[in-house]
Amino acid sequence: GDSVTQKEGLVTLTEGLPVMLNCTYQTIYSNAFLFWYVHYLNESPRLLLKSSTDNKRTEHQGFHATLHKSSSSFHLQKSSAQLSDSALYYCALSDHYNQGKLIFGQGTKLSIKP
Amino acid sequence: EAAVTQSPRNKVTVTGGNVTLSCRQTNSHNYMYWYRQDTGHGLRLIHYSYGAGNLQIGDVPDGYKATRTTQEDFFLLLELASPSQTSLYFCASSDAQCPNERLFFGHGTKLSVL
Repeated sequence: GDSVTQKEGLVTLTEGLPVMLNCTYQTIYSNAFLFWYVHYLNESPRLLLKSSTDNKRTEHQGFHATLHKSSSSFHLQKSSAQLSDSALYYCALSDHYNQGKLIFGQGTKLSIKP
Repeated sequence: EAAVTQSPRNKVTVTGGNVTLSCRQTNSHNYMYWYRQDTGHGLRLIHYSYGAGNLQIGDVPDGYKATRTTQEDFFLLLELASPSQTSLYFCASSDAQCPNERLFFGHGTKLSVL
């Protein structure tokens, strides 16, 4: 079945360094919808980015990601980390069989140090 | 902005206790979901619903019941709570017309089962 893998459980970076959070997915369907959700402490998780277009960069709030269907990847990147980026980040795949159901990865906790 | 309200925000119960978590959305969304969030596991879907009276089983349903009484209200029931159900629970909703758009999450209910 469909699945999403986020290899890193915790990523710790110094402020100002680039961010890259890995996300790979598995699905036999070509029309995959991929999402990044962000969960700041004491807030609700919310959508950060989404894409269904192959090789098209999508950007929001300084973050960007490009869906690469050839490698089944949707990595989240930012050029320069800020302290306020510390949060839990989830990659998710829309379930082809069940409209409206998302398959979430295990999540990556991003911790930015001064 | 879509609104999803969960209650209570915090709940402590004992093993074997009976707990009901409530969720209300005022966005006219058809889809509603219950997730639990645990370190190392990310967001896992417990139950979800396409509309009033409808119930779908998620990925980790054991020990949980759910009921969708109206389009607005979705309840999660733990009839014999166990310590393994200690977790942070999130309710979410989405628009059936655009199920691949985004989920709107509540602020979460922290449940401790002693």
